[in-house]
Amino acid sequence: GNSVTQMEGPVTLSEEAFLTINCTYTATGYPSLFWYVQYPGEGLQLLLKATKADDKGSNKGFEATYRKETTSFHLEKGSVQVSDSAVYFCATETSGSRLTFGEGTQLTVNP
Amino acid sequence: KAGVTQTPRYLIKTRGQQVTLSCSPISGHRSVSWYQQTPGQGLQFLFEYFSETQRNKGNFPGRFSGRQFSNSRSEMNVSTLELGDSALYLCASSLDTAKNTEAFFGQGTRLTVV
Repeated sequence: GNSVTQMEGPVTLSEEAFLTINCTYTATGYPSLFWYVQYPGEGLQLLLKATKADDKGSNKGFEATYRKETTSFHLEKGSVQVSDSAVYFCATETSGSRLTFGEGTQLTVNP
Repeated sequence: KAGVTQTPRYLIKTRGQQVTLSCSPISGHRSVSWYQQTPGQGLQFLFEYFSETQRNKGNFPGRFSGRQFSNSRSEMNVSTLELGDSALYLCASSLDTAKNTEAFFGQGTRLTVV
């Protein structure tokens, strides 16, 4: 089945630093890819998605490009804020509406 | 438009008891999935229901079960609770069409087994 591997965390950055969280996947075919964010005590919120190869998903300054050559979907943001502190999950659709998630990466942004 | 609603938000149960969690999906969404989130295992898929039928099932023991009603609302039940069942249980709904499989999550139910 499909699987997702995220970079090991946690990640600690200063405000306005550049962020990259690596995500690679293994899958049959070309499933949609997602980044979800989870704030403390909350459920998951969809941050961005890409449905086919070379698609770039973007939202709130975050971007990720679906790279089939490297089977990657790395999350980037040019300038992080304290409010971006959260856990980030990379995910792929597996079958139907089933999602397979990566391990999650805890991001802490210090002022 | 209302989001995915899970009730209750918090539960404390004793080992051996059973528990039922509820999920109301976004209006018009026919697919409901359940996930268990724990610090050690991360997010694990429990099962998915579509039009009142279980369509997918994860690797959990038979103590974990679910159902979906004609209005797409879903419940999951855990019987004979164990300490290891303590987790955040998340429900997600989606339109589940060929063009749109985006899942929307509820805030979750935090279950503590003592």
